[in-house]
Amino acid sequence: SAVISQKPSRDICQRGTSLTIQCQVDSQVTMMFWYRQQPGQSLTLIATANQGSEATYESGFVIDKFPISRPNLTFSTLTVSNMSPEDSSIYLCSSSGTGGETQYFGPGTRLLVL
Amino acid sequence: QKEVEQNSGPLSVPEGAIASLNCTYSDRGSQSFFWYRQYSGKSPELIMFIYSNGDKEDGRFTAQLNKASQYVSLLIRDSQPSDSATYLCAPYSNGGGTSYGKLTFGQGTILTVHP
Repeated sequence: SAVISQKPSRDICQRGTSLTIQCQVDSQVTMMFWYRQQPGQSLTLIATANQGSEATYESGFVIDKFPISRPNLTFSTLTVSNMSPEDSSIYLCSSSGTGGETQYFGPGTRLLVL
Repeated sequence: QKEVEQNSGPLSVPEGAIASLNCTYSDRGSQSFFWYRQYSGKSPELIMFIYSNGDKEDGRFTAQLNKASQYVSLLIRDSQPSDSATYLCAPYSNGGGTSYGKLTFGQGTILTVHP
């Protein structure tokens, strides 16, 4: 399985600011995903990060709020823009092979917005 | 109806017992089913996956799938206190288009194994 790292591991931010989260995989992977896990909740898929094209967003998530980049097969970033306290969550990156099936997760980024 | 339903628990079992975790799903197009374990403050860890109807065993874990009933379960034999965690069920859909590669997670079942 791929080893995934995320930066930062945690952050405390002021409302109205933006934070960019980085996700690095130790090998080339076909698919990368970004999830959000709100306190006490399960995981919700934000978007699929597509290499060389725009990310595919799930219902309820928009590019202006969560811009995503994926410049190559091992790296992706998620930006949480114009943050509010409701954005306080754990943000998780995952990756999988060609079939998109078996997904492994990074350690997550714990975000607190004041 | 939620896409993926799990009993949130908590499910409490004594050490050495069998823990049974259940999951139902609504998308008949789901092809594969994954069980993740999540310790408090940690990210999900893949522990089992199953594609075909029937049972699949891996060590102390057995996954059971019944596509006709849209039901998947996870049995943990000889439960240990270290198994105490939240268990997440995640059907996978390769329906194509925007749903390609999508995992839909249930709310998770909290398992507590007491000595």
